[in-house]
Amino acid sequence: GIQVEQSPPDLILQEGANSTLRCNFSDSVNNLQWFHQNPWGQLINLFYIPSGTKQNGRLSATTVATERYSLLYISSSQTTDSGVYFCAVEYSGAGSYQLTFGKGTKLSVIP
Amino acid sequence: DAGVTQSPTHLIKTRGQQVTLRCSPKSGHDTVSWYQQALGQGPQFIFQYYEEEERQRGNFPDRFSGHQFPNYSSELNVNALLLGDSALYLCASSLDPRETQYFGPGTRLLVL
Repeated sequence: GIQVEQSPPDLILQEGANSTLRCNFSDSVNNLQWFHQNPWGQLINLFYIPSGTKQNGRLSATTVATERYSLLYISSSQTTDSGVYFCAVEYSGAGSYQLTFGKGTKLSVIP
Repeated sequence: DAGVTQSPTHLIKTRGQQVTLRCSPKSGHDTVSWYQQALGQGPQFIFQYYEEEERQRGNFPDRFSGHQFPNYSSELNVNALLLGDSALYLCASSLDPRETQYFGPGTRLLVL
């Protein structure tokens, strides 16, 4: 099946710093989503971005489908950004509808 | 507009018992997927329901079964519980199987 690798696995930032999270995937995809999982386990949708660039406030994401990677940028980080960030992809092969998740990047923002 | 809801929020069972988890999708969504998330791992796909039928299944044993009702809500059943079934179970819904999936808050299952 499709493989999804996220880096770095752990990241500690001072409040106000910027960061870039990376997601590499091993095959062509129809769907790529970034999620933030809060301490209570809720997965919050950040971006649906199978290709191109999107921005939402302090967050932006870029997916280069031809090179099989996606980047999530967090600017001016806040303590509320802490949590685990997941990249999830849906393989574009026939009959595939599942999201395959990476292992996540655990972000800790300290005051 | 209510998001995806799941019940119960927490559950404690003993080995060998059976459990049923419930999910109501976002209004208008007809596709429901279930995921299992072990501690420290990313969610893993269990199966997806569309038009009351199981459309796709992940690498989970037959002890895991499901159902989708005409109103698109869904149940996940796990028989003969094992200690390793302890996890966060997440339900996701979408308007179309290949559109954005929205996740519920999950059910935390502990098997003793």
